[in-house]
Amino acid sequence: AQSVTQLDSQVPVFEEAPVELRCNYSSSVSVYLFWYVQYPNQGLQLLLKYLSGSTLVESINGFEAEFNKSQTSFHLRKPSVHISDTAEYFCAVSDDGSGNTGKLIFGQGTTLQVKP
Amino acid sequence: ETGVTQSPTHLIKTRGQQVTLRCSSQSGHNTVSWYQQALGQGPQFIFQYYREEENGRGNFPPRFSGLQFPNYSSELNVNALELDDSALYLCASSPMSGQLKTQYFGPGTRLLVL
Repeated sequence: AQSVTQLDSQVPVFEEAPVELRCNYSSSVSVYLFWYVQYPNQGLQLLLKYLSGSTLVESINGFEAEFNKSQTSFHLRKPSVHISDTAEYFCAVSDDGSGNTGKLIFGQGTTLQVKP
Repeated sequence: ETGVTQSPTHLIKTRGQQVTLRCSSQSGHNTVSWYQQALGQGPQFIFQYYREEENGRGNFPPRFSGLQFPNYSSELNVNALELDDSALYLCASSPMSGQLKTQYFGPGTRLLVL
């Protein structure tokens, strides 16, 4: 069965510092990987995704994540965070869709707290 | 292009009652999935609807049921509400094409069961 582990429940960081949110997954089939962000009292917004091709994927607001198949990881990084990045971040995995629903399996979430 | 919308935004019910939550999928999307997010947890998959048929179900009891309509909108029904059903219910839609299962979420309905 697929599972996702987000290794840190909370990550406090000062503004303009770099940050890494860690995500490991387990799956016996090819996967798609996603990072979603959730601001307080809101739904989930897609931040970035790995479907195929280049293992390094980027978002429009400076986040990037690298798919590492050998380490079954998909860590999220940003070289310089802003106060507005304070939110809950969820890593999710989906199977390759062949014969299945492509349902998302989510990790428990990591709270990114950016301090001034 | 209109995104995924959900109604109502908030709801308060008492134990034993029934509730219906609604979702309108994003334009061009024919697949709708429902998730339950308890406080402080990641979302949990409830079920998915594709072309008006249930297309996969998570570990939820039968009192959680759903519908999808010809316009691809969807309903989640929960009977005999329990206190543990208090959560944020998220609807997500996916586009028609192939195996690209990117799901786009609505803002959610927050249900409180007293």
